[in-house]
Amino acid sequence: EAGVTQFPSHSVIEKGQTVTLRCDPISGHDNLYWYRRVMGKEIKFLLHFVKESKQDESGMPNNRFLAERTGGTYSTLKVQPAELEDSGVYFCASSQRGGGELLVGNEQFFGPGTRLTVL
Amino acid sequence: AQKVTQAQTEISVVEKEDVTLDCVYETRDTTYYLFWYKQPPSGELVFLIRRNSFDEQNEISGRYSWNFQKSTSSFNFTITASQVVDSAVYFCALRRGQTGANNLFFGTGTRLTVIP
Repeated sequence: EAGVTQFPSHSVIEKGQTVTLRCDPISGHDNLYWYRRVMGKEIKFLLHFVKESKQDESGMPNNRFLAERTGGTYSTLKVQPAELEDSGVYFCASSQRGGGELLVGNEQFFGPGTRLTVL
Repeated sequence: AQKVTQAQTEISVVEKEDVTLDCVYETRDTTYYLFWYKQPPSGELVFLIRRNSFDEQNEISGRYSWNFQKSTSSFNFTITASQVVDSAVYFCALRRGQTGANNLFFGTGTRLTVIP
């Protein structure tokens, strides 16, 4: 079974440009999450999709970030325009079930991340 | 508020030594979940274990063991007889127990280097 995949693995852009990150979750996983790790700091939650709906976007830093999950399959995260502080590693994760449920299947499986560098 | 602290930024051990990675958490929830993930050089976060707040039984899986102590709000991870393949960054994380509380709160990670 294929794991969570992310594209690209690395992206280097200049301040003010636009970048779109893509995440393909594990097949059959309705729940998809985006996280970000800024250099040396903790991994922070950005948002959570259940199928195509945004369940929780409380972690999105500002309106320069736009996440979509059309059709409830893959998801994209667009940063427009990118700023220097957006540099970091963006992780995507997926799970069968959501949190708060005492069942097997709510573990989140992570992709390898996209390393974004804004110059 | 939820917080996870991994005070050890980097640890180096010689192969076959035992090593313990510390994790201290803060939450006011009575129901919560604790996790450990491993990040090898390939980059992805590999799920290792989930623990429910009402189950303080320690767990052993091969060379890995976890010590969960609610009294000290700690969830420490021990690798016995470490191997070079254990070299990675290890993250401890917490999730609230409320329905709909899906996001993980991570610590800053501990980089473990096992020297052959």
